[in-house]
Amino acid sequence: EVQLLESGGGLVQPGGSLRLSCAASGFTFSSYAMSWVRQAPGKGLEWVSAISGSGSSTYYADSVKGRFTISRDNSKNTLYLQMNSLRAEDTAVYYCAKGGVVPAAIVPYDAFDIWGQGTMVTVSS
Amino acid sequence: ETVMTQSPATLSVSPGERATLSCRASQSVSSNLAWYQQKPGQAPRLLIYGASTRATGIPARFSGSGSGTEFTLTISSLQSEDFAVYYCQQYNNWPPNSFGQGTKLEIK
Repeated sequence: EVQLLESGGGLVQPGGSLRLSCAASGFTFSSYAMSWVRQAPGKGLEWVSAISGSGSSTYYADSVKGRFTISRDNSKNTLYLQMNSLRAEDTAVYYCAKGGVVPAAIVPYDAFDIWGQGTMVTVSS
Repeated sequence: ETVMTQSPATLSVSPGERATLSCRASQSVSSNLAWYQQKPGQAPRLLIYGASTRATGIPARFSGSGSGTEFTLTISSLQSEDFAVYYCQQYNNWPPNSFGQGTKLEIK
């Protein structure tokens, strides 16, 4: 079964840091670009960051650029999101999502066919 | 920035009837448009990509159409499990992967 499982969310103070993980199973992880998408409470979806299958290319939304770092360990089938200098407006459920469903898609432009269950990040004092 | 605008914000439809949801892009996204369904407490589920291609396992009652700036998601005969929030997403322009604000499909 194709599956993504996020972990690492929690409560953090403004200015703090957190690292999210996303464990993948059921597919050849290294063959697919991956993204993080977040959803603030009661709000819509916001793409955050993407990484190519090899990990050599990374992309960020302006709202997180310079504060968040996406990475992956293909030997462990795991995606990461290092979040620094967190702000109240970063409070959201963070989903990892698998790309690659669109034929010939060029990272980071893609649709997402598999999503994790999400992990909640709350930034508050 | 490509702004995705969905209408209506809420759509009330009876089971068995047809539902038509709209998505408009502020500039052309070609056919690089996806639709997702999200139920409370769950992750989004991909329904349509390439504006009209159903994702794996999606029932034929879901169909997508459009290109450029105007897109439609049609659900031909609503089932009880179809009542949810629907999002469109463009993956053509920078910044990438912008979503609409969502349409809530509720039971009439």
